[in-house]
Amino acid sequence: DAGVIQSPRHEVTEMGQEVTLRCKPISGHNSLFWYRQTMMRGLELLIYFNNNVPIDDSGMPEDRFSAKMPNASFSTLKIQPSEPRDSAVYFCASSPGLAVRDTQYFGPGTRLTVL
Amino acid sequence: GENVEQHPSTLSVQEGDSAVIKCTYSDSASNYFPWYKQELGKRPQLIIDIRSNVGEKKDQRIAVTLNKTAKHFSLHITETQPEDSAVYFCAATLGNAGNMLTFGGGTRLMVKP
Repeated sequence: DAGVIQSPRHEVTEMGQEVTLRCKPISGHNSLFWYRQTMMRGLELLIYFNNNVPIDDSGMPEDRFSAKMPNASFSTLKIQPSEPRDSAVYFCASSPGLAVRDTQYFGPGTRLTVL
Repeated sequence: GENVEQHPSTLSVQEGDSAVIKCTYSDSASNYFPWYKQELGKRPQLIIDIRSNVGEKKDQRIAVTLNKTAKHFSLHITETQPEDSAVYFCAATLGNAGNMLTFGGGTRLMVKP
């Protein structure tokens, strides 16, 4: 069974460009999470969805960031315009639901570099 | 919100020795505490977890203890091996908000052969 799939695995872009990160959760999982990992701030939860509906986006750093989940098997995280301080590894994770016992499974991550 | 502190940030041990990583949390309503292992360039992966109604849980060489009164929990790795070298993250649920997690800052464990 395939795990969480993310694309691209690496992205290098120039400041001001739009960046779109993609995630396919584990089939049958109803909850999806977007995290950002940096050396300075560690692992931060940006936003999470349940049944394709955004539940909490309080971790999204600013209006330049947006996320969508048009269906149960696909989500995007968009940064427009991108800035050098957005450079980080972005992880997507999915879980069966939002119950305490529901483990979050992480994707391989997208390493974003904004020049 | 929840705040999770993790110590130490780096830990170096000799192969065969034990390693202990400690975390404290702030929200007394937190009731689930997973530990993730992240190898270099890889994704975080769950290695063990503990719920608030249990004081200790063991899985082969890995154990986790929880002290709810003091609001701290620890990861214990015995008979360390070079393949245990990785960054370990503790996490705690955000009060009663299901499986929403706040992560600690991570501990880089290095096991010297």
